[in-house]
Amino acid sequence: DVKVTQSSRYLVKRTGEKVFLECVQDMDHENMFWYRQDPGLGLRLIYFSYDVKMKEKGDIPEGYSVSREKKERFSLILESASTNQTSMYLCASSRHMVWGTEAFFGQGTRLTVV
Amino acid sequence: SQQGEEDPQALSIQEGENATMNCSYKTSINNLQWYRQNSGRGLVHLILIRSNEREKHSGRLRVTLDTSKKSSSLLITASRAADTASYFCATDGSGGSNYKLTFGKGTLLTVNP
Repeated sequence: DVKVTQSSRYLVKRTGEKVFLECVQDMDHENMFWYRQDPGLGLRLIYFSYDVKMKEKGDIPEGYSVSREKKERFSLILESASTNQTSMYLCASSRHMVWGTEAFFGQGTRLTVV
Repeated sequence: SQQGEEDPQALSIQEGENATMNCSYKTSINNLQWYRQNSGRGLVHLILIRSNEREKHSGRLRVTLDTSKKSSSLLITASRAADTASYFCATDGSGGSNYKLTFGKGTLLTVNP
């Protein structure tokens, strides 16, 4: 089975801290994604990556950066955490396929910034 | 802004009834997918329909796609209490990138026993 593993289920950080959220997939997928999920807003795409060291901004990249140094790992970085970044963060991965392919999701990291 | 918008936001039905959820999107797409999320969990893929397909079936699921109206529907027949979850549509190929996968806000389905 495909496995997408996020490093923490729950995380509490202080305002101004630099926060790293890690995601690892074990199926050699080319694409990886970071979303945040908030009540009433659904999933919003922060960043995605289609290859090692390649990244593209999603719909809400402000306040975030990402790193993909290895194919299996995609990190989301909050440079200076703020309370409005309190949210559920979901990582996903998928194959490159012209005719589409399903994405596999991790269990999510619930981040609270205090 | 989000590509997909599901309708209704919430739906409550009795076990055995059919549930229909709709998704509208804004720009041209390559594929449209539907996912389910049980409370507090990650999303699980249900079905994918390509832009050149009009209808697809998988078990109790039926998905339609109308690219001229930029809309899709998900029908769950003979619903069960275990179908209680949030359902999201997702599109890829929008915004000039083949790999960008964007989701809507979801429909919360409650199936009462």
